[in-house]
Order: sequence, then structure tokens, then C-alpha cells
Amino acid sequence: GDSVTQMEGPVTLSEEACLTINCTYTATGYPSLFWYVQYPGEGLQLLLKATKADDKGSNKGFEATYRKETTSFHLEKGSVQVSDSAVYFCALSDYGGSQGNLIFGKGTKLSVKP
Amino acid sequence: NAGVTQTPKFQVLKTGQSMTLQCAQDMNHNSMYWYRQDPGMGLRLIYYSASEGTTDKGEVPNGYNVSRLNKREFSLRLESAAPSQTSVYFCASSETANGASPLHFGNGTRLTVT
Repeated sequence: GDSVTQMEGPVTLSEEACLTINCTYTATGYPSLFWYVQYPGEGLQLLLKATKADDKGSNKGFEATYRKETTSFHLEKGSVQVSDSAVYFCALSDYGGSQGNLIFGKGTKLSVKP
Repeated sequence: NAGVTQTPKFQVLKTGQSMTLQCAQDMNHNSMYWYRQDPGMGLRLIYYSASEGTTDKGEVPNGYNVSRLNKREFSLRLESAAPSQTSVYFCASSETANGASPLHFGNGTRLTVT
């Protein structure tokens, strides 16, 4: 079945460091790919998405490119801030099927130190 | 602009007790979902409702029931709580269930079963 694998955390960075969180997927169809972020004590919220190969999603300085050839959707940010400390989830939706629900990775916790 | 509202925020139950988690959304979304979040497991779908009047099982439905009361409300019931149901429960909604629409999450209910 479809699945998402993302790098295990926790990841600890200093402010202004570069961030990459790896995400790879397996899917039978042509999925849409998402990154969600969960701040402490809150629910998940959509950070960015890409719906087809070579699309780049971007938001709040974060970027991810849908790479079909490597089945990857890595999250990147050039300069992280303390306020970026959160748990990041990669997810896919293969809406060629009937259910249309998201399949989530296990999450990567990011801590940014001042 | 409330979005998705879940009640209660916290709950402690004894084994065998029952309870209902409430969820309401004010975005006129067609689809609603219940997830549970456990450490190291990411989010797992319990049940979802693609549209008013329909409900379907997700990945981990055992021990739970749901009711789509109307377009706005989707409740989750634990008939006889077990310690394995200790978790954080998230309700979410989306415009459609076809996978293209992002999910909007509530802030979660932290449930402890002793």
C-alpha cells in the first residue's frame, strides 16, 4: 500500500541554520504531497503542498519539490527561526482511490535554539 | 473564525467507561475525519465521513463508533474505554474527500484511560 517515510528526529538547529527534512513515498497512483506542521499544543495545519511532478510548494520560507524520479518531497528552509520549532509531517493523498484520506509520516520534531 | 472545534480538551476515564468526543466545523466542509496521534506512530485515521449521511472505517476503527449528526458535526464514541485508547484525538475537515483538499484540524482532545 501507499506509505510515507520521513527522517526521524528530533532535529536540533541553531537559529539561522539551514533545514532539510527528508521525505520519501511509495504510491501506486499519482499522489498529491503535503507538509503539515504542528506547533506545541495545537492541531496540524497545512504548510505547503504539490499536486504533480516537478511542482514546488512554498510557504513561510519553506519549500519542497515533488520529485517523481526519486519519489521524494524534502522540506527545506534556508534560515530557521526559533518560531519554527514544531513537529513536521509529510503526507500523501492518492485521490485516484475512493477514500481520499491522507497517509502521514511519523513526524519530525524540530527544535531551534537561539 | 473558529474553524474546527473539539470538546473536551482533556479527559480521564477509567477502563470500561464510555464517552463521546464532539467535533464541529463552521467552514461548510463536506468531509470530516477522526484521527488519533500516538508517539512514534504519526496520525492514524479512525473513521471518516466523506459527506453528510455517510461514514467509513479508517485504519484503526476497532473500539470506536461515529455519528455524522449533520454537515457541521461529527462525533466519536468510545463505548468501553481501554488503556490502549489513551491518545490524542484530532478531528479534521476538508472541502471534499478526493484528496486534493487540505485538512483543517482542531486542537485535539487528550484522553487518558486508567
